[in-house]
Amino acid sequence: RKEVEQDPGPFNVPEGATVAFNCTYSNSASQSFFWYRQDCRKEPKLLMSVYSSGNEDGRFTAQLNRASQYISLLIRDSKLSDSATYLCVVGLRETNAGKSTFGDGTTLTVKP
Amino acid sequence: DTGVSQNPRHKITKRGQNVTFRCDPISEHNRLYWYRQTLGQGPEFLTYFQNEAQLEKSRLLSDRFSAERPKGSFSTLEIQRTEQGDSAMYLCASSLEGKETQYFGPGTRLLVL
Repeated sequence: RKEVEQDPGPFNVPEGATVAFNCTYSNSASQSFFWYRQDCRKEPKLLMSVYSSGNEDGRFTAQLNRASQYISLLIRDSKLSDSATYLCVVGLRETNAGKSTFGDGTTLTVKP
Repeated sequence: DTGVSQNPRHKITKRGQNVTFRCDPISEHNRLYWYRQTLGQGPEFLTYFQNEAQLEKSRLLSDRFSAERPKGSFSTLEIQRTEQGDSAMYLCASSLEGKETQYFGPGTRLLVL
């Protein structure tokens, strides 16, 4: 079993749709959580950090459920420019600050 | 441009050759990471430096791979006796101690023939 698992998709949605991605992690000692976005043949870029209380940034909402060990990302009113691969990232901040584990990503295609 | 830079951007080599990649992190970042990514997969952690100290290496990293960060600034990743399975995108990232956010460079795409 992978340490960080994501539904690979692809998710194909029309513009304006709401789409949600989930990610599960296996290490209960994980302390830091992120969503990164990666466009085709480009480097990953931070989309948002994920906090225990949940956080929102415009059309994007991230949630963390420590008890169930999963993270979610909700995208509302999706735009064509949201088409990308979304990577879930989990880190062990306290015991091993260096290593972050990436999921394999969920691919989103937003269509006109 | 004050972001993370990597050179070369592309490298084609023959099996058995040695290759070396360079990463220049964001100047004030003291942490530097190397990852490998293949098509359809997420970045896979290879190794991590804090200043000049290499603090962790992945168990998956064979002894053909070596990384250095001699002065705590730029880093090099060398692959000796390359194999076709080494073909991948090699990503470098940097961060500031106390901040978990990693900033990635554009990567070096390696093709081993």
